[in-house]
Amino acid sequence: QQQVKQSPQSLIVQKGGIPIINCAYENTAFDYFPWYQQFPGKGPALLIAIRPDVSEKKEGRFTISFNKSAKQFSLHIMDSQPGDSATYFCAAGGSNYKLTFGKGTLLTVNP
Amino acid sequence: KAGVTQTPRYLIKTRGQQVTLSCSPISGHRSVSWYQQTPGQGLQFLFEYFSETQRNKGNFPGRFSGRQFSNSRSEMNVSTLELGDSALYLCASSPTQGSGKQYFGPGTRLTVT
Repeated sequence: QQQVKQSPQSLIVQKGGIPIINCAYENTAFDYFPWYQQFPGKGPALLIAIRPDVSEKKEGRFTISFNKSAKQFSLHIMDSQPGDSATYFCAAGGSNYKLTFGKGTLLTVNP
Repeated sequence: KAGVTQTPRYLIKTRGQQVTLSCSPISGHRSVSWYQQTPGQGLQFLFEYFSETQRNKGNFPGRFSGRQFSNSRSEMNVSTLELGDSALYLCASSPTQGSGKQYFGPGTRLTVT
Protein backbone atom coordinates (compact mmCIF):
# COMPACT_ATOMS: atom_id res chain seq x y z
CA GLN A 1 0.00 0.00 0.00
CA GLN A 2 3.06 2.25 0.03
CA GLN A 3 3.86 2.22 -3.70
CA VAL A 4 3.91 5.25 -5.95
CA LYS A 5 3.82 4.44 -9.66
CA GLN A 6 5.22 7.04 -12.05
CA SER A 7 4.99 7.23 -15.83
CA PRO A 8 6.45 7.63 -18.36
CA GLN A 9 10.03 6.56 -17.61
CA SER A 10 11.32 9.01 -20.19
CA LEU A 11 9.87 11.83 -22.23
CA ILE A 12 11.17 13.94 -25.10
CA VAL A 13 9.48 17.21 -26.07
CA GLN A 14 10.31 20.21 -28.19
CA LYS A 15 10.94 23.61 -26.65
CA GLY A 16 7.61 25.24 -25.85
CA GLY A 17 5.83 21.90 -25.47
CA ILE A 18 3.91 20.81 -22.37
CA PRO A 19 5.32 17.59 -20.90
CA ILE A 20 2.98 15.76 -18.54
CA ILE A 21 4.20 13.26 -15.94
CA ASN A 22 1.73 11.08 -14.11
CA CYS A 23 1.77 9.37 -10.72
CA ALA A 24 -0.58 7.04 -8.90
CA TYR A 25 -0.57 6.14 -5.23
CA GLU A 26 -2.27 3.47 -3.17
CA ASN A 27 -2.35 4.63 0.43
CA THR A 28 -5.41 6.83 0.98
CA ALA A 29 -3.84 8.15 4.18
CA PHE A 30 -1.18 10.05 2.23
CA ASP A 31 -1.80 13.78 2.42
CA TYR A 32 1.30 15.37 0.96
CA PHE A 33 2.36 15.08 -2.68
CA PRO A 34 5.58 16.81 -3.74
CA TRP A 35 7.47 16.84 -7.00
CA TYR A 36 11.24 16.97 -7.10
CA GLN A 37 13.61 17.93 -9.90
CA GLN A 38 17.09 16.43 -10.10
CA PHE A 39 19.95 17.46 -12.35
CA PRO A 40 22.95 15.17 -12.90
CA GLY A 41 25.37 15.29 -10.00
CA LYS A 42 22.92 17.12 -7.74
CA GLY A 43 20.46 16.11 -5.07
CA PRO A 44 16.72 16.36 -5.76
CA ALA A 45 15.24 19.84 -5.32
CA LEU A 46 11.65 20.44 -4.20
CA LEU A 47 9.73 21.92 -7.12
CA ILE A 48 6.11 22.12 -6.04
CA ALA A 49 3.81 20.24 -3.66
CA ILE A 50 0.09 19.81 -3.13
CA ARG A 51 -2.26 18.71 -0.35
CA PRO A 52 -5.44 16.73 -1.20
CA ASP A 53 -7.79 19.57 -0.27
CA VAL A 54 -7.15 21.28 -3.64
CA SER A 55 -7.34 19.88 -7.17
CA GLU A 56 -4.72 22.10 -8.78
CA LYS A 57 -1.73 24.18 -7.80
CA LYS A 58 0.40 26.44 -10.00
CA GLU A 59 3.84 27.84 -9.35
CA GLY A 60 5.31 29.65 -12.30
CA ARG A 61 5.38 27.28 -15.27
CA PHE A 62 4.77 24.21 -13.10
CA THR A 63 1.26 22.91 -12.34
CA ILE A 64 0.15 19.94 -10.26
CA SER A 65 -3.25 18.42 -11.00
CA PHE A 66 -4.66 16.19 -8.28
CA ASN A 67 -7.50 13.66 -8.52
CA LYS A 68 -8.26 12.33 -5.06
CA SER A 69 -10.92 9.81 -6.12
CA ALA A 70 -8.61 8.27 -8.71
CA LYS A 71 -5.58 8.52 -6.39
CA GLN A 72 -3.60 10.16 -9.15
CA PHE A 73 -1.65 13.36 -9.58
CA SER A 74 0.34 14.83 -12.42
CA LEU A 75 2.92 17.49 -13.20
CA HIS A 76 2.55 19.79 -16.19
CA ILE A 77 5.39 22.02 -17.35
CA MET A 78 4.17 24.93 -19.44
CA ASP A 79 6.35 26.42 -22.19
CA SER A 80 9.12 23.91 -21.48
CA GLN A 81 12.71 25.02 -21.98
CA PRO A 82 15.96 23.07 -22.58
CA GLY A 83 16.97 24.06 -19.03
CA ASP A 84 14.04 21.98 -17.74
CA SER A 85 15.80 18.82 -18.96
CA ALA A 86 16.21 16.79 -15.78
CA THR A 87 14.81 13.81 -13.92
CA TYR A 88 11.52 14.44 -12.16
CA PHE A 89 10.29 12.46 -9.18
CA CYS A 90 6.86 12.42 -7.66
CA ALA A 91 6.44 11.40 -4.05
CA ALA A 92 3.70 10.80 -1.53
CA GLY A 93 3.69 10.91 2.24
CA GLY A 94 2.15 12.39 5.32
CA SER A 95 2.86 13.41 8.87
CA ASN A 96 3.02 9.78 10.01
CA TYR A 97 4.51 8.37 6.84
CA LYS A 98 7.88 8.45 5.22
CA LEU A 99 8.10 9.93 1.74
CA THR A 100 7.68 7.26 -0.92
CA PHE A 101 9.10 8.19 -4.31
CA GLY A 102 8.18 7.21 -7.83
CA LYS A 103 10.93 5.75 -10.01
CA GLY A 104 11.48 9.01 -11.88
CA THR A 105 10.96 10.43 -15.37
CA LEU A 106 13.89 11.57 -17.48
CA LEU A 107 12.70 14.65 -19.38
CA THR A 108 14.57 15.95 -22.40
CA VAL A 109 13.51 19.26 -23.93
CA ASN A 110 15.01 19.74 -27.37
CA PRO A 111 15.81 23.28 -28.56
CA LYS B 1 21.09 29.94 4.91
CA ALA B 2 23.60 27.35 3.85
CA GLY B 3 22.12 24.22 2.32
CA VAL B 4 22.49 20.62 3.36
CA THR B 5 26.10 19.48 3.20
CA GLN B 6 27.31 15.91 2.89
CA THR B 7 30.81 14.56 3.26
CA PRO B 8 32.60 12.97 1.62
CA ARG B 9 31.19 13.51 -1.87
CA TYR B 10 32.84 10.43 -3.33
CA LEU B 11 34.05 7.24 -1.71
CA ILE B 12 35.51 3.97 -2.97
CA LYS B 13 35.53 0.98 -0.64
CA THR B 14 36.08 -2.74 -0.99
CA ARG B 15 33.68 -5.50 -0.05
CA GLY B 16 33.61 -6.30 3.63
CA GLN B 17 34.74 -2.86 4.75
CA GLN B 18 32.56 -0.42 6.61
CA VAL B 19 31.85 3.23 5.82
CA THR B 20 30.54 6.28 7.63
CA LEU B 21 28.83 9.13 5.82
CA SER B 22 28.13 12.53 7.33
CA CYS B 23 25.30 15.04 6.86
CA SER B 24 24.93 18.58 8.19
CA PRO B 25 21.35 19.82 7.91
CA ILE B 26 20.16 23.35 7.24
CA SER B 27 20.52 25.48 10.35
CA GLY B 28 17.43 25.13 12.51
CA HIS B 29 16.28 21.89 10.92
CA ARG B 30 15.89 19.07 13.41
CA SER B 31 14.88 16.23 11.09
CA VAL B 32 17.36 14.35 8.94
CA SER B 33 16.36 11.57 6.56
CA TRP B 34 18.63 9.30 4.57
CA TYR B 35 17.90 7.80 1.16
CA GLN B 36 19.68 5.39 -1.15
CA GLN B 37 19.42 6.18 -4.86
CA THR B 38 20.22 3.59 -7.53
CA PRO B 39 19.28 3.43 -11.23
CA GLY B 40 17.26 0.27 -10.70
CA GLN B 41 15.43 0.98 -7.45
CA GLY B 42 15.24 4.76 -7.52
CA LEU B 43 15.07 6.65 -4.23
CA GLN B 44 14.57 4.39 -1.26
CA PHE B 45 14.08 5.60 2.29
CA LEU B 46 16.62 4.38 4.83
CA PHE B 47 15.69 6.13 8.07
CA GLU B 48 14.71 9.42 9.66
CA TYR B 49 16.10 11.02 12.78
CA PHE B 50 14.43 13.78 14.73
CA SER B 51 15.81 15.21 17.96
CA GLU B 52 18.45 12.47 18.13
CA THR B 53 15.86 9.65 17.94
CA GLN B 54 15.17 7.36 15.01
CA ARG B 55 11.53 8.04 14.09
CA ASN B 56 11.06 5.90 11.02
CA LYS B 57 12.96 3.15 9.26
CA GLY B 58 12.87 1.70 5.76
CA ASN B 59 13.32 -1.89 4.65
CA PHE B 60 17.08 -2.19 4.77
CA PRO B 61 19.19 -4.78 6.58
CA GLY B 62 20.70 -4.07 9.97
CA ARG B 63 24.06 -3.38 8.31
CA PHE B 64 22.68 0.10 7.68
CA SER B 65 22.54 2.24 10.79
CA GLY B 66 22.56 5.87 11.69
CA ARG B 67 22.61 8.38 14.47
CA GLN B 68 21.95 12.03 15.09
CA PHE B 69 23.85 14.35 17.35
CA SER B 70 22.56 17.13 19.58
CA ASN B 71 23.45 19.73 16.92
CA SER B 72 21.23 17.78 14.44
CA ARG B 73 24.17 16.60 12.38
CA SER B 74 23.74 13.00 11.35
CA GLU B 75 25.89 10.07 10.33
CA MET B 76 25.00 6.83 8.65
CA ASN B 77 27.12 3.73 8.77
CA VAL B 78 27.16 0.71 6.52
CA SER B 79 29.04 -2.31 7.79
CA THR B 80 30.28 -5.33 5.83
CA LEU B 81 29.87 -3.60 2.49
CA GLU B 82 28.47 -5.53 -0.46
CA LEU B 83 28.76 -4.73 -4.16
CA GLY B 84 25.04 -3.93 -4.19
CA ASP B 85 25.58 -1.10 -1.73
CA SER B 86 27.11 1.00 -4.50
CA ALA B 87 24.76 3.95 -4.77
CA LEU B 88 24.25 7.64 -4.23
CA TYR B 89 23.38 8.24 -0.59
CA LEU B 90 21.28 11.32 -0.06
CA CYS B 91 20.54 13.17 3.11
CA ALA B 92 17.53 15.47 3.44
CA SER B 93 16.73 17.90 6.21
CA SER B 94 13.40 19.27 7.31
CA PRO B 95 12.25 21.60 10.06
CA THR B 96 9.58 19.09 11.10
CA GLN B 97 9.30 15.37 11.62
CA GLY B 98 7.71 13.26 8.90
CA SER B 99 7.46 13.83 5.18
CA GLY B 100 6.96 17.57 4.97
CA LYS B 101 9.23 19.82 2.92
CA GLN B 102 12.57 18.08 2.64
CA TYR B 103 15.73 19.70 1.35
CA PHE B 104 18.31 17.36 -0.13
CA GLY B 105 22.06 17.55 -0.05
CA PRO B 106 24.23 16.72 -3.09
CA GLY B 107 24.78 13.15 -1.92
CA THR B 108 27.73 10.87 -1.36
CA ARG B 109 28.60 8.58 -4.26
CA LEU B 110 29.71 5.26 -2.78
CA THR B 111 31.38 2.70 -4.99
CA VAL B 112 32.06 -0.77 -3.59
CA THR B 113 34.61 -2.88 -5.47
